[in-house]
Amino acid sequence: GENVEQHPSTLSVQEGDSAVIKCTYSDSASNYFPWYKQELGKRPQLIIDIRSNVGEKKDQRIAVTLNKTAKHFSLHITETQPEDSAVYFCAAMSSSASKIIFGSGTRLSIRP
Amino acid sequence: DGGITQSPKYLFRKEGQNVTLSCEQNLNHDAMYWYRQDPGQGLRLIYYSQIVNDFQKGDIAEGYSVSREKKESFPLTVTSAQKNPTAFYLCASSTGLAGQTQYFGPGTRLLVL
Repeated sequence: GENVEQHPSTLSVQEGDSAVIKCTYSDSASNYFPWYKQELGKRPQLIIDIRSNVGEKKDQRIAVTLNKTAKHFSLHITETQPEDSAVYFCAAMSSSASKIIFGSGTRLSIRP
Repeated sequence: DGGITQSPKYLFRKEGQNVTLSCEQNLNHDAMYWYRQDPGQGLRLIYYSQIVNDFQKGDIAEGYSVSREKKESFPLTVTSAQKNPTAFYLCASSTGLAGQTQYFGPGTRLLVL
């Protein structure tokens, strides 16, 4: 069945450095890729998403890139800050599907 | 996601007891979802509903039941058949159209006494 693999499972970066989280998906029909941020004990919240008709999208310090050929998409966070510490989930959805497939999550820690 | 509410915030279940978690949305979304999240783990789909009076099993439906009698409401019952129910339960909703994201409620933490 459909699958989304996410790496790494944990990531620690120095404050001010960049963080990159990578995901691969199996369903070639996937065309929508949201990213969620979940702080401890809270709900996942959408931070950015990308559709298959574009290769990159940016929103301030956050960017997402998509390589449809390789079925890869990545989250890039620049100039990391302490409030970026959280668990990040990638996800993929196809136009024919009724549910989103989530990755297993990446726990990002920002070192002061 | 502010239009999705879940109650209670914490719920305690005794052995052999059925408990019901509430999920309500005022976003006029057609689709609603229930996920289970264990500590340090990802999201696992329990049930989902794309339209009133219809729902489908997700990946871990055993021991759970749902109903969708109203568009705004999608309650989840954790039955006594669910032997390890301790987890964080998240409800989500979306327009149901292809490529539309899901918005999550604040969650209910279920603990077994």
